[in-house]
Amino acid sequence: DAGITQSPRHKVTETGTPVTLRCHQTENHRYMYWYRQDPGHGLRLIHYSYGVKDTDKGEVSDGYSVSRSKTEDFLLTLESATSSQTSVYFCAISLIAGEVEFFGPGTRLTVL
Amino acid sequence: KQEVTQIPAALSVPEGENLVLNCSFTDSAIYNLQWFRQDPGKGLTSLLLIQSSQREQTSGRLNASLDKSSGRSTLYIAASQPGDSATYLCAVSNTGNQFYFGTGTSLTVIP
Repeated sequence: DAGITQSPRHKVTETGTPVTLRCHQTENHRYMYWYRQDPGHGLRLIHYSYGVKDTDKGEVSDGYSVSRSKTEDFLLTLESATSSQTSVYFCAISLIAGEVEFFGPGTRLTVL
Repeated sequence: KQEVTQIPAALSVPEGENLVLNCSFTDSAIYNLQWFRQDPGKGLTSLLLIQSSQREQTSGRLNASLDKSSGRSTLYIAASQPGDSATYLCAVSNTGNQFYFGTGTSLTVIP
């Protein structure tokens, strides 16, 4: 199995609280991605990173921020969680642009 | 914005049958197209990648084709097995890092 983990795997939080999700890889891949998966919408890209400290917005970036201070870690932060951010969040990695190689196991986030 | 559609949303077939899953997209100026498999409660597993210059890719019992001009891709699964039961997702990239996913086809192979 590819070395990509996500933490926590499950989280329940309240509206207005900050939340940080972590993605950790041991593959030394350059590209890292955060997606959310919702019924009826499929997977949508939130943010991605193309190197340490290099990030860019995806299709649904509002309300989210990211940071990548090391090759192996990519953090997704919800500054003030809302119920619309209840979702399953997936991290993914790739060695080259244009091909998503490995996905993490997902984090199920519930915002009450 | 790229729109990706997968029809049918669900499919049930008897074991041993050959089957085709469909994916259509609205913008033919694609960079890559990728097929994934997702098992319940799990992440996605990449199955096949077709670059924009290619027309098909094969891996074992799987064959994916790409027709950019008509905005279509198909995933052919030969001699289906119960272990093939999963949701199959198609994703299209226009620029390299922005992938647009379909909502998937849920496949059940009945023993």
